Amino acid sequence: AQKVTQAQTEISVVEKEDVTLDCVYETRDTTYYLFWYKQPPSGELVFLIRRNSFDEQNEISGRYSWNFQKSTSSFNFTITASQVVDSAVYFCALSEYSGGGADGLTFGKGTHLIIQP
Amino acid sequence: NAGVTQTPKFQVLKTGQSMTLQCAQDMNHNSMYWYRQDPGMGLRLIYYSASEGTTDKGEVPNGYNVSRLNKREFSLRLESAAPSQTSVYFCASSLTSGGRGEQFFGPGTRLTVL
Repeated sequence: AQKVTQAQTEISVVEKEDVTLDCVYETRDTTYYLFWYKQPPSGELVFLIRRNSFDEQNEISGRYSWNFQKSTSSFNFTITASQVVDSAVYFCALSEYSGGGADGLTFGKGTHLIIQP
Repeated sequence: NAGVTQTPKFQVLKTGQSMTLQCAQDMNHNSMYWYRQDPGMGLRLIYYSASEGTTDKGEVPNGYNVSRLNKREFSLRLESAAPSQTSVYFCASSLTSGGRGEQFFGPGTRLTVL
């Protein structure tokens, strides 16, 4: 069965600090997809990134970067020079390629990130 | 282009009452999903519909039924609400099934069962 672990329940940093959110996953499939979503205080879920299991290249988007390491089954998310607007709950999620079978995302329990001014 | 819409936004029910949560998407997506979010639990999949005319159970289907009315609409029904179903319910849609595509979420319905 697939599983996503976000061991950090809450992180609090001061604005402009860098912060890394950890995500460790478990799956028996060789083809799978990893996601990060952001849930700000307003409650909606905002898609941030998708990565498939065959693409281990790191990705950078502005102040956000993602480090995917299959060897350690991790897909960590780093925010550089954090801002107050980054305060939110961040979810890591996994889906296995089902080829018409089971579908849907398996979410971690989330990391509540607090950026203090 | 409204994306994924859900109605109602808030609802209070008494134990044993029934209700239907509505979800619609205008992105011509094939797959649709219902999740529930409980404090400290992340989101858990209730039911999904990989394509029009099909529905399947997710991780926590007990106490719920779904209907894929057409390609746009996917409803979730609670036949006899219980306090354990107090939660925030999210509908999502995806262009592709089989776990490949990103899912786009609606704004959520906050349900309280007394």
